[in-house]
Amino acid sequence: GENVEQHPSTLSVQEGDSAVIKCTYSDSASNYFPWYKQELGKRPQLIIDIRSNVGEKKDQRIAVTLNKTAKHFSLHITETQPEDSAVYFCAASMGAQKLVFGQGTRLTINP
Amino acid sequence: DVKVTQSSRYLVKRTGEKVFLECVQDMDHENMFWYRQDPGLGLRLIYFSYDVKMKEKGDIPEGYSVSREKKERFSLILESASTNQTSMYLCASSLRRGLYNEQFFGPGTRLTVL
Repeated sequence: GENVEQHPSTLSVQEGDSAVIKCTYSDSASNYFPWYKQELGKRPQLIIDIRSNVGEKKDQRIAVTLNKTAKHFSLHITETQPEDSAVYFCAASMGAQKLVFGQGTRLTINP
Repeated sequence: DVKVTQSSRYLVKRTGEKVFLECVQDMDHENMFWYRQDPGLGLRLIYFSYDVKMKEKGDIPEGYSVSREKKERFSLILESASTNQTSMYLCASSLRRGLYNEQFFGPGTRLTVL
């Protein structure tokens, strides 16, 4: 079955700097890659997703890139703000049915 | 606005007890999921359901069962709770099978088994 590895497990950046979180997946048939953000004490929420027919997708300060050949995808957050502090989860699936999540990255934005 | 609710935010049970965790969604979603969340392990899928009375095993189904008698309700059952089932349990729902659609999560139930 699918296996998703996520790195780093923790990330600390200065406010205003960029943050990058990377994930690799094992099943070349996977074609849908969402990212969820979980603030402290809250439920996970989808922030951005990408399908395998697209190499990059942006939404304001966040972007996701996908390299199908290497089987990895990344989340990029620019101009980080305190409200970006959260745990971020990547996931992969074939057809958006059963998602397999990565281990999570705790992002801390330092003022 | 999709709303996914779970029956309890915190639950404390004793080893060997039968435990029921309930999840209800109000947006007529076909798909429902149960995950457990543990530090460093991410979200791991226990069971999921695409339709009423239908269930499929996820990645870690051992020690759990589920029930979906009505479309809006998906129950997770621990037949005989054990200490290694102490965890945060998250329910989620999504619109329809086969679509690239968002999973909406409930607030979670933190279960402690003593």
